Amino acid sequence: QITLKESGPMLVKPTQTLTLTCTFSGFSLSTSGVAVGWIRQPPGKALEWLAFISWNDDNRYSPSLKSRLTLTKDTSRNQVVLTMTNVDPVDTGTYYCAHCTSSATYYDYWGPGTLVTVSS
Amino acid sequence: DIVMTQSPDSLAVSLGERATINCKSSQSVLCFSNTKHCLAWYQQKPGQPPKLLLYWASTRESGVPDRFSGSGSGTDFALTISSLQAEDVAVYYCHQYYSTPQTFGQGTKLEIK
Repeated sequence: QITLKESGPMLVKPTQTLTLTCTFSGFSLSTSGVAVGWIRQPPGKALEWLAFISWNDDNRYSPSLKSRLTLTKDTSRNQVVLTMTNVDPVDTGTYYCAHCTSSATYYDYWGPGTLVTVSS
Repeated sequence: DIVMTQSPDSLAVSLGERATINCKSSQSVLCFSNTKHCLAWYQQKPGQPPKLLLYWASTRESGVPDRFSGSGSGTDFALTISSLQAEDVAVYYCHQYYSTPQTFGQGTKLEIK
C-alpha cells in the first residue's frame, strides 16, 4: 500500500527558505521508473505543478520557479525534500507530494497536503 | 507551456443526469509513439487531495466507478459522468503530463441542481 505524507512549517516569513519533507511508504525511490512530484494549491485556486524527482535523479522543475526550488531524496529514509528559497505571500497554499512513474507522470497516490502560510 | 482550458467553470446537474466537463489543450498531448494522450482527470473534494480518476485520457483508475468515462483526442477532451450521484459533487481538474512544465486546467465545480 502506497502512502505519502508532507511535513514542514505552517508559517514562514517572507524572504525565508521553506523546507518541506515528503515521507512515503509502499515504494522505493531507488526502484527503476519511480518518481515523486510536488504540486501546490493556493487557497480557493487551481493546482500548480512545481517539480518532480525521479529514481535516477532526472529532476524537472517548473521554469517559473526553477531558480528557487531544489529537490533531494534520501532513499534510505524514504523521503523527498523540497526546498523553496526567498518565499513570498503568493507562495501561500497547500503543498502536496504525489507518486508517479517516470514514464507516465500522472499522479496516482497523493499525500494529504500541508498548508503553508507566508506572512510576516 | 501547454495551457489547459476547462469549460464550463461551474456546472449544476440533476441527480441521475449526465454531466460533461470539457478540457482543451493549447497543443497536442499525443504521446508514446502517437498511441496515447498524456492527459489525466482528477476529482477534488473540499479539504481533500485530488483523486486520480482517469489517465491516458480514457483509462479508468482502479476502483473508480464506471459512470466516469473519458474521451477525446488531439487537443479536445471530455470527462463524462453518466448518472450523477450526490457523492460526485467536487471540483474536477484535467492535467497534461505530455511535457514539463506539467499543467492543470483551472478546475470545474460540479454541483447538484
